[in-house]
Amino acid sequence: RKEVEQDPGPFNVPEGATVAFNCTYSNSASQSFFWYRQDCRKEPKLLMSVYSSGNEDGRFTAQLNRASQYISLLIRDSKLSDSATYLCVVTGYSSASKIIFGSGTRLSIRP
Amino acid sequence: EPEVTQTPSHQVTQMGQEVILRCVPISNHLYFYWYRQILGQKVEFLVSFYNNEISEKSEIFDDQFSVERPDGSNFTLKIRSTKLEDSAMYFCASSPRGGQFNEQFFGPGTRLTVL
Repeated sequence: RKEVEQDPGPFNVPEGATVAFNCTYSNSASQSFFWYRQDCRKEPKLLMSVYSSGNEDGRFTAQLNRASQYISLLIRDSKLSDSATYLCVVTGYSSASKIIFGSGTRLSIRP
Repeated sequence: EPEVTQTPSHQVTQMGQEVILRCVPISNHLYFYWYRQILGQKVEFLVSFYNNEISEKSEIFDDQFSVERPDGSNFTLKIRSTKLEDSAMYFCASSPRGGQFNEQFFGPGTRLTVL
């Protein structure tokens, strides 16, 4: 089983749609979880951290399910500018812990 | 807004040559990282660095790789004898002081092409 697994997509949805991504991780000792977005040939940029209680930032909602070892990202009212690859990131407890990136889910928003 | 910078943006080298990739992390950050991303593939962790020493490294980070923080601002990745398969985008990242939620800020990357 891969350490961090994501559906590669691509997800092709119309503007205004709601889209959801899932990510599963294999190490039950993982502590920190993030969603990053990466535009083509650019660096990853932090989208949001994922907290145990779930968290929301505008149109974006992230959830963590430790029992099932997955995290999710929900994008509501999608915009053309949301087109990117979304990376699930899992780390250990400290800032020096090994960081594992998923392969990413590609999202394309059409007008 | 403070940001991580990297130089050069593109480096072309011959197989077997040494390269040094440079990064200037955000000034008040204490944790530093290098990643690589081969074209079309996922971002891969190489190494983390704190308090002037390596904290963790991946299996990719073998004896051909080394990191250094030669002064108070730069953080470098050296590849001693480049191979064709080292061709990739190399990202530097930095993170503020500790804690469970170690959000990292990435530089724009250096594209390394080994011929």
